[in-house]
Amino acid sequence: QSVLTQPPSASGTPGQRVTISCSGSSSNIGSNTVNWYQQLPGTAPKLLIYSNNQRPSGVPDRFSGSKSGTSASLAISGLQSEDEADYYCAAWDDSLNGYYVFGTGTKVTVL
Amino acid sequence: QVQLVESGGGLVKPGGSLRLSCAASGFTFSDYYMSWIRQAPGKGLEWVSYISSSGSTIYYADSVKGRFTISRDNAKNSLYLQMNSLRAEDTAVYYCARVQYSYGYGPDYWGQGTLVTVSS
Repeated sequence: QSVLTQPPSASGTPGQRVTISCSGSSSNIGSNTVNWYQQLPGTAPKLLIYSNNQRPSGVPDRFSGSKSGTSASLAISGLQSEDEADYYCAAWDDSLNGYYVFGTGTKVTVL
Repeated sequence: QVQLVESGGGLVKPGGSLRLSCAASGFTFSDYYMSWIRQAPGKGLEWVSYISSSGSTIYYADSVKGRFTISRDNAKNSLYLQMNSLRAEDTAVYYCARVQYSYGYGPDYWGQGTLVTVSS
């Protein structure tokens, strides 16, 4: 079973825009919706973006998601210190018997 | 509000068994698919298993197939994971999560997790 590929790290200064990529294949991102999760240090993951580009209630609008073909991306604009966390993309994969696949994770550091 | 509380984690020897439980509240449990997801120490997230609202449809990751069994009791608002033939590589925090079918089977709420350590 495969994983989605993300860069291991990303960083920016407060106020900057940071973008995280997520690369998959035709059996996952290419044919299913992408979700993004934020995991603050020592806590459980939290849903950040669902269905490629939708924000759950309470998630600031400086978080945005997009998808094109077999890739997706998460953008954080106006970076804040509390955004320092691990971010994971995820999608259902239709191959084999079907399974849910997570990205490798990206650690965002606020400089 | 949605609450998911895992229990049952602990230290177990290789080859041993453990049963995790997840108590759900704040939503109509029987309406939702549910999932177990794990995270090894210092590592990323790994999906383990998923069960439909009625329990009739179940999926497993290849890494646990044949060793783990997911189940649910809708009358008790509870989700379970029976883990047999445990290996060192099963050491992880195990999260219970509610699944949104409309989000492409994506989890929308997660519990705080329970730690399973497999070691002699």
